[in-house]
Amino acid sequence: LAKTTQPISMDSYEGQEVNITCSHNNIATNDYITWYQQFPSQGPRFIIQGYKTKVTNEVASLFIPADRKSSTLSLPRVSLSDTAVYYCLVGEAGANNLFFGTGTRLTVIP
Amino acid sequence: GAVVSQHPSWVICKSGTSVKIECRSLDFQATTMFWYRQFPKQSLMLMATSNEGSKATYEQGVEKDKFLINHASLTLSTLTVTSAHPEDSSFYICSALGSGLTLRDEQFFGPGTRLTVL
Repeated sequence: LAKTTQPISMDSYEGQEVNITCSHNNIATNDYITWYQQFPSQGPRFIIQGYKTKVTNEVASLFIPADRKSSTLSLPRVSLSDTAVYYCLVGEAGANNLFFGTGTRLTVIP
Repeated sequence: GAVVSQHPSWVICKSGTSVKIECRSLDFQATTMFWYRQFPKQSLMLMATSNEGSKATYEQGVEKDKFLINHASLTLSTLTVTSAHPEDSSFYICSALGSGLTLRDEQFFGPGTRLTVL
């Protein structure tokens, strides 16, 4: 089971782009990288998932280098409502062994 | 699509009583559901995996006799905290595994249930 390492916290001003990097040195061939967002007293919400290179959806982009030992979640032009904890998870699609690491507590400042 | 609900959203109970938390997949069937626990300022910890029609699989350190899990249908799993004590006070979150042609092959999370044991 690939363990992940993320910064504990980050601060950003409104309107800026935020990049959160996650290290997963022991990622396996069948593993995907998934990012979740969690607001206080709510369940996690799926943001984006990828296997390699770059994935983009309406809320974020995910950059994965060729060796897949790290990934970067990019949030364009953050707003105050993006203040949350962001978790990077690595595992097989649909696997039950999801390991939530410490996550990154993002605080967006006016 | 892929909505998961939990009931109740919060509950307060006396020490020694039992509390049941329901987890429902509202618009899809889920043969597998998961139960997590989250203490304040901490990450989610997987407690058990619930499979429809079979016994749940518990993670190491989780007492199966204290946290009873029943997954009697493809849309409902229940977690019963038996003889609850203050140290069981936590945020309990369930998730349902989506599958098939119209869903991502991933876990969809419920909104959580805040349990406070007095």
